[in-house]
Amino acid sequence: DIQMTQSPSSLSASVGDRVTITCRASQGIRNDLGWYQQKPGKAPKRLIYAASSLQSGVPSRFSGSRSGTEFTLTISSLQPEDFATYYCLQHNNFPRTFGQGTKLEIK
Amino acid sequence: EVQLVEFGGGLVQPGGSLRVSCVVSGFSISSYWMSWVRQAPGKGLEWVASIEQNGGEKYYVDSVKGRFTISRDNAKSSLYLQMDSLRAEDTAVYYCARQTNFDYWGQGTLVIVSS
Repeated sequence: DIQMTQSPSSLSASVGDRVTITCRASQGIRNDLGWYQQKPGKAPKRLIYAASSLQSGVPSRFSGSRSGTEFTLTISSLQPEDFATYYCLQHNNFPRTFGQGTKLEIK
Repeated sequence: EVQLVEFGGGLVQPGGSLRVSCVVSGFSISSYWMSWVRQAPGKGLEWVASIEQNGGEKYYVDSVKGRFTISRDNAKSSLYLQMDSLRAEDTAVYYCARQTNFDYWGQGTLVIVSS
């Protein structure tokens, strides 16, 4: 199984900050990675697909990148509505596997 | 507009069975793989199962193999998850999701396994 190691598990930041969340895959997954945002009591929402493509309707302050087996989600300038939990997902192989999640909190 | 709506969750005793369903609209279900993902209370996301367009190919997470069965009825735009021999650790919100990269999700249905 492919393990997705996500860091940090939690993060405190302020409105306007730039934040970065990382997922490392235990083996190569090409660009078969997505990033999801989940707010309490709601279903996850996909932000990024194919490692770096922005889902339609998602603000451009969100971006994704890849370097080998390391994937990064960046929020360039945090807005109040961005405080949520974020997950990565690899869909290169079965079983599909998620990162452990990053809870982004207001400082 | 793509919509997925799950229903059928509830309280069931350990060892019992439950079937959850998902009805979709805004796209042709027959063109897509479909999946179930779950989330235990206060925990992260876990993929459960996926099924290909015609239902012939299915995949499951190890922890549910032999107990859960994913199926679909394309004529009814529906996806199902039959859950047997339920355990306390199966307690979760169950989401249906389109494709195996989960581009769209339903709102989820809560399954509680408890005596």
